[in-house]
Amino acid sequence: GAVVSQHPSRVICKSGTSVKIECRSLDFQATTMFWYRQFPKQSLMLMATSNEGSKATYEQGVEKDKFLINHASLTLSTLTVTSAHPEDSSFYICSAPGQGVQLFFGSGTQLSVL
Amino acid sequence: SQQGEEDPQALSIQEGENATMNCSYKTSINNLQWYRQNSGRGLVHLILIRSNEREKHSGRLRVTLDTSKKSSSLLITASRAADTASYFCATGINQAGTALIFGKGTTLSVSS
Repeated sequence: GAVVSQHPSRVICKSGTSVKIECRSLDFQATTMFWYRQFPKQSLMLMATSNEGSKATYEQGVEKDKFLINHASLTLSTLTVTSAHPEDSSFYICSAPGQGVQLFFGSGTQLSVL
Repeated sequence: SQQGEEDPQALSIQEGENATMNCSYKTSINNLQWYRQNSGRGLVHLILIRSNEREKHSGRLRVTLDTSKKSSSLLITASRAADTASYFCATGINQAGTALIFGKGTTLSVSS
């Protein structure tokens, strides 16, 4: 079946640094991918829609300059958390639609900002 | 606010018992999906039910959908310790139904 690979699975960084998270569709092309954030013991919140070859669409309240999204190819979307702060510590997860309405999720990235 | 609201927030049962989780949503939908998440890990798609369907089965899972009440339920029969996880309902907010709004989730604990 279709697989979405997300890397890294865990990252610890210092406050003020930037962190890049990659989301790859391994055996299918995805013109659209989605990024979610999940705080401990909470649900997933849609952050943005990543569009291949064009700008990402951000949900209300998500800072586009803080969370840079690039979707340069049909199989790769990246989320860069810029100038990370402890409050950005969260679980980030991406998804990509396969055929029809089925979605495939990455395994997530646990970001810890010290 | 989130599209889906689930109850209960937490559910603890013994192996062999059935577990029922409920989800309510606010707007009209094309379909509703249920996902499972083990602690700190990615999501596993369990089942999708379309708006014109009332009930769907998959193995030990049974999902119902009541569009008049804007609610859905997930029943896990004969639960196992391995079913311990968080379960989320989700509905799509874009035309393709691929941008999802998740409910708050139900944390299920099954003890042996």
